[in-house]
Amino acid sequence: AQKITQTQPGMFVQEKEAVTLDCTYDTSDPSYGLFWYKQPSSGEMIFLIYQGSYDQQNATEGRYSLNFQKARKSANLVISASQLGDSAMYFCAMREVYNFNKFYFGSGTKLNVKP
Amino acid sequence: DAGITQSPRYKITETGRQVTLMCHQTWSHSYMFWYRQDLGHGLRLIYYSAAADITDKGEVPDGYVVSRSKTENFPLTLESATRSQTSVYFCASSSKASGSVDTQYFGPGTRLTVL
Repeated sequence: AQKITQTQPGMFVQEKEAVTLDCTYDTSDPSYGLFWYKQPSSGEMIFLIYQGSYDQQNATEGRYSLNFQKARKSANLVISASQLGDSAMYFCAMREVYNFNKFYFGSGTKLNVKP
Repeated sequence: DAGITQSPRYKITETGRQVTLMCHQTWSHSYMFWYRQDLGHGLRLIYYSAAADITDKGEVPDGYVVSRSKTENFPLTLESATRSQTSVYFCASSSKASGSVDTQYFGPGTRLTVL
C-alpha cells in the first residue's frame, strides 16, 4: 500500500488566491511526522513545513499552513495569497518514529500560479 | 554556514565507467541518505546511513556502493555506470533527537548523464 498519496498531479491557481494541495498517508505507527517540500524548476528540494502526529495545533509557517486531520489521515498543505514564485512541484512526506530510517514521499503535485 | 553540499553538480560519463558523487554536511547529522529522482518515479531511496560506518540498502541499491568513514561525508559510487542510472541524485541528512521526528534536509542535487 502507498504510504503517501498525492492525488493531484497538477493544479492551477490564480495569483493572490489560496490553494490546497492534498496529501493522505497510511501508517500504523502512533508517532510520526509529516513534511512538505517544494521543488522549483531549479531543482532543489526546499523544506516548507512539519507537523508532528501529537501536535495539537496545525502547523503554520508564513503563508504555508498544514491542515492536519489525524482521523482521516490527511495532511493538506494550504498556501495563502499565492505568488508567481510558488509555481513548483510540491511533495508530501512522512517519517515514522519506529521506522526512522525511511522517509516516504508522495509522487508530487505540480502547482502553476497564473498572473 | 554551508549546510549540505554535493559535488559535482553536473556529470556526464560513459557506460561502464566508475563515478563517485560526493556529499558533505556541516551539521553533524547522524543520518544521511541518497535518493534518485526520475520522471514518473518520484524520489527513490538508494542507501542510507544511521551513523559513521553504518549503512544500509534502500529501495533501489543495485549498482551503487556507499561508504561513511566520517560523519560529515557520504559518497555514492556507481561501480559501472549504466544508462538507466541517468538521473538526478539527491543527498539528504537529518538528526535524530530521542522521541522526535526530525526534518530531512536536501543537498542541491547532482544531475548525472550516462552516455
